[in-house]
Amino acid sequence: AQSVSQHNHHVILSEAASLELGCNYSYGGTVNLFWYVQYPGQHLQLLLKYFSGDPLVKGIKGFEAEFIKSKFSFNLRKPSVQWSDTAEYFCAVSNAGNMLTFGGGTRLMVKP
Amino acid sequence: DTAVSQTPKYLVTQMGNDKSIKCEQNLGHDTMYWYKQDSKKFLKIMFSYNNKELIINETVPNRFSPKSPDKAHLNLHINSLELGDSAVYFCASSPPGVSHEQYFGPGTRLTVT
Repeated sequence: AQSVSQHNHHVILSEAASLELGCNYSYGGTVNLFWYVQYPGQHLQLLLKYFSGDPLVKGIKGFEAEFIKSKFSFNLRKPSVQWSDTAEYFCAVSNAGNMLTFGGGTRLMVKP
Repeated sequence: DTAVSQTPKYLVTQMGNDKSIKCEQNLGHDTMYWYKQDSKKFLKIMFSYNNKELIINETVPNRFSPKSPDKAHLNLHINSLELGDSAVYFCASSPPGVSHEQYFGPGTRLTVT
């Protein structure tokens, strides 16, 4: 069975600080990797995805993630966060049946 | 245009009741899903439904039953509701194949009292 771990449960940053959220997965086959964001009271939205090719993936709103196969990691980064980035961030892996397995989420709070 | 919609947005009901949550997508996708998000924000897949093939997460109680009248709809029926069923339920859809993102609905917050 596949699993996804997000090491940071709560992160508090000041505006303009750099962000890196950790994500590690456990799965023996080919993986598709995703980062979703959930703003307060809203539904999940896709930030970025990795299926194949360049392991450095750029997403919306200045986010990027790097797939490191040898480390089974897919960390999310942003050079300079804004107050509007305050949200819950979920890393996810999909299997052959395209069913997503989510990590436990990381709550990011950005102080203005 | 709302791509994936759910009704109702909020549902408050008593233990033992039977309730349904409706989901509709206008994206022309073949596959639809139901996820449960608990109070700690942990998201877990419940069902995947693709062209009349239902894939069930084995940990889901059989009180939960998805019903798909057509490709654009996947409704979730819950019988004999329990306190532990309180959660936010998200519907999602995706195109066929294994390399596609899923599009999520706005969620239905179910509270069982």
